Amino acid sequence: DIQMTQSPSSLSASAGDRVTITCRASQGISNYLAWYQQKPGKVPELLIYAASTLQSGVPSRFSGSGSGTDFTLTISSLQPEDVATYYCQKYGSAPRTFGRGTKVEIK
Amino acid sequence: QVQLQQWGAGLLQPSETLSLTCAVYSGSFSGYYWSWIRQPPGKGLEWIGEINHRGSTNYNPSLKSRVTMSVDTSQNHISLKLSSVAAADTGIYYCARRGVVAAAGQLDYWGQGTLVTVSS
Repeated sequence: DIQMTQSPSSLSASAGDRVTITCRASQGISNYLAWYQQKPGKVPELLIYAASTLQSGVPSRFSGSGSGTDFTLTISSLQPEDVATYYCQKYGSAPRTFGRGTKVEIK
Repeated sequence: QVQLQQWGAGLLQPSETLSLTCAVYSGSFSGYYWSWIRQPPGKGLEWIGEINHRGSTNYNPSLKSRVTMSVDTSQNHISLKLSSVAAADTGIYYCARRGVVAAAGQLDYWGQGTLVTVSS
């Protein structure tokens, strides 16, 4: 099975900073990758799919890139409301594995 | 607006069978796969498996021997059963929708989650 490795596991940044989270697949997955945001105590929400397509309603400060095995989620200017854990997921074939998550905090 | 509403027993004893149901309101039922995901307390998301309206399933290999998913197309319900539960099965269980084709496989709608606790 394909494994999804996220890094870092947590980060702390100041409001306004550019934040980058990486997700690496153990084998190529084309662009069949999604990013989810889970705020504390809330249900996960879809942020990005097809590696780089923003889900409707998601602020434009979020962006995704990558293809094959290496993917990136970028928050161009971190806002207090972005405090959350972010998960990548491969979805092109089963099992549709999630990364272990990256917890983002504000300094 | 698609809504997923889920329910089921929240407290189980070890060795019992977990049973959850997820109802789909609005939108197409047959045009999607319906997934189950779980999250142990303080930990990450784990994909359990999925089912479509024809009953075709895919399960996580790590849980396959204990998982059964079913579908009731007359009520637009999907169900999850997990047998022989243990404390490690404690967590929040979510149902979610994904597209049928690989290119549309993202989970775009989620249920509210059901906390299941396994304890003697």
